[in-house]
Amino acid sequence: AQSVTQLDSQVPVFEEAPVELRCNYSSSVSVYLFWYVQYPNQGLQLLLKYLSGSTLVKGINGFEAEFNKSQTSFHLRKPSVHISDTAEYFCAVSAPYGGSQGNLIFGKGTKLSVKP
Amino acid sequence: EAGVAQSPRYKIIEKRQSVAFWCNPISGHATLYWYQQILGQGPKLLIQFQNNGVVDDSQLPKDRFSAERLKGVDSTLKIQPAKLEDSAVYLCASSLEMGFQETQYFGPGTRLLVL
Repeated sequence: AQSVTQLDSQVPVFEEAPVELRCNYSSSVSVYLFWYVQYPNQGLQLLLKYLSGSTLVKGINGFEAEFNKSQTSFHLRKPSVHISDTAEYFCAVSAPYGGSQGNLIFGKGTKLSVKP
Repeated sequence: EAGVAQSPRYKIIEKRQSVAFWCNPISGHATLYWYQQILGQGPKLLIQFQNNGVVDDSQLPKDRFSAERLKGVDSTLKIQPAKLEDSAVYLCASSLEMGFQETQYFGPGTRLLVL
């Protein structure tokens, strides 16, 4: 079975500082990886996804993530954050196993708090 | 393009009562998902539909939860009777097709509090 571990439950940073949100996954088969963002009282919005090809994936709002197969990681980065990036970020995996038909397995989320 | 619509946005009920949530997916999306998001956790899939057929309901507590997607468009999720541990946000999502690479688009969710 697949699982996702987000190593930090909360990450406080100052505005314009860089940030990295960590995500590790466990899987015995090849996976597809996703990062979603959830703003307060809203649904989840896709930031970026890794399906194949280049291991560096660029997403919306200046975010990027790097897939590292040997370390089974998919960390999310942004070189300079804004107050508006304050939200909860979820890493998720999708994999063909045990009859799964494409549903997502989510981590517990990381709350990013950007301070002025 | 309109997004995934859900109603109601908030619901407070007492334990043992019943409740129903409604979801209208993005037009043309064949696959619809219901997730349960308990406070402090990531969303967990409850049920997945492809058109009006169920493809995965392995994590749906079938003794109290039921869902249907008549005519392959709108969907309703029902809880009867509700328990305290059902307090959560219920998210509906849809995707164009079923598949591991598909992007799922989420609605704003229904926040349920069971007292």
